Amino acid sequence: LAKTTQPISMDSYEGQEVNITCSHNNIATNDYITWYQQFPSQGPRFIIQGYKTKVTNEVASLFIPADRKSSTLSLPRVSLSDTAVYYCLVGGYNTNAGKSTFGDGTTLTVKP
Amino acid sequence: GAGVSQSPRYKVAKRGQDVALRCDPISGHVSLFWYQQALGQGPEFLTYFQNEAQLDKSGLPSDRFFAERPEGSVSTLKIQRTQQEDSAVYLCASSSGLATQDTQYFGPGTRLTVL
Repeated sequence: LAKTTQPISMDSYEGQEVNITCSHNNIATNDYITWYQQFPSQGPRFIIQGYKTKVTNEVASLFIPADRKSSTLSLPRVSLSDTAVYYCLVGGYNTNAGKSTFGDGTTLTVKP
Repeated sequence: GAGVSQSPRYKVAKRGQDVALRCDPISGHVSLFWYQQALGQGPEFLTYFQNEAQLDKSGLPSDRFFAERPEGSVSTLKIQRTQQEDSAVYLCASSSGLATQDTQYFGPGTRLTVL
């Protein structure tokens, strides 16, 4: 299973861009990279997913270098409501016994 | 539309009691996952169902943990003879497909406290 490493915590201010990097040196060829956001007392919520290069949606961008051994979640112009735990997830589940491994996540605190 | 629901939201059990946690996935979702999340940690995989078939139960921590999904929709996670170390949030997730990249939709979790 691909193990992921993320910073434990990050602080930012409203309106800034936040970049959270995840290391996944043992990523497999078929693995995708998915980021989830979790607020207290809620289940994780999908943010963005990618396989290589760059992916952008209405809330975030995901940058993946060519070797795919790391990825960076970019949140533009964060607000207080972006304070949450962010998980980098590599892999997924298939019938060949691959399963997703969540790390301990990065606690992002956005300050006014 | 309705998301994944779980019940009860909170459960307090005395050590040694049996508990049953229910998950109602999004209608039509074939894949269903159970996770255990300890305080301050990320979700840990417990088991996976594809329709009614339990294809992976390698994450279940002991034989006191049992999960079922008899009709391929609602799932129940049962914990027998609960121990204090079982205290955690139990999350259920479902997805519409079978592929590794399919998005998982999570319920709010059941917070189990074993006294």
